[in-house]
Amino acid sequence: DAKTTQPTSMDCAEGRAANLPCNHSTISGNEYVYWYRQIHSQGPQYIIHGLKNNETNEMASLIITEDRKSSTLILPHATLRDTAVYYCIVERGANSKLTFGKGITLSVRP
Amino acid sequence: NAGVMQNPRHLVRRRGQEARLRCSPMKGHSHVYWYRQLPEEGLKFMVYLQKENIIDESGMPKERFSAEFPKEGPSILRIQQVVRGDSAAYFCASSPARDRNEKLFFGSGTQLSVL
Repeated sequence: DAKTTQPTSMDCAEGRAANLPCNHSTISGNEYVYWYRQIHSQGPQYIIHGLKNNETNEMASLIITEDRKSSTLILPHATLRDTAVYYCIVERGANSKLTFGKGITLSVRP
Repeated sequence: NAGVMQNPRHLVRRRGQEARLRCSPMKGHSHVYWYRQLPEEGLKFMVYLQKENIIDESGMPKERFSAEFPKEGPSILRIQQVVRGDSAAYFCASSPARDRNEKLFFGSGTQLSVL
């Protein structure tokens, strides 16, 4: 089972920042926090990952709390095309597989 | 640099037939993962392969399902004697190395429909 807890859904106005929370209170010291998303009927898409420090790339920013028990994915200027299910994953087994939970459904409204 | 290629995109089979799903990983990637997504459900890990080796098949059903990743050619997920419950989207992912810090790249999936 996934070791993360995410709200079921949230919505956001187009052009505004979308802040997606994730709790992972049992994360171990060497586990990374990964975010993927799945747009309807498509394959999952990697967004960003981090270990301790905050990370930013062309898609998003990842803010990890100091105790690493929670994190927030930030989409700075959400567009309609960002409507998707977003998965926060911290469990990476010994064979580097990803275990997907239910994720959070983000709906971006015009 | 082409991404992970899966074919066919859609596959229709009658009950009892065999289904073969193909996955060509990204260039330079030697690790392949298969996932299944049943309608209205999440992604479930099935199997992890490296060239010519099955590393982890803990998510594979015990019967009718098999996977291979030969030295040459794509990875194949094979489902024998398909049943209606096999109808799902099957996604393949690849990575260049076996490392916690390595991200997976997913294909567009094969939608299997069993009549």
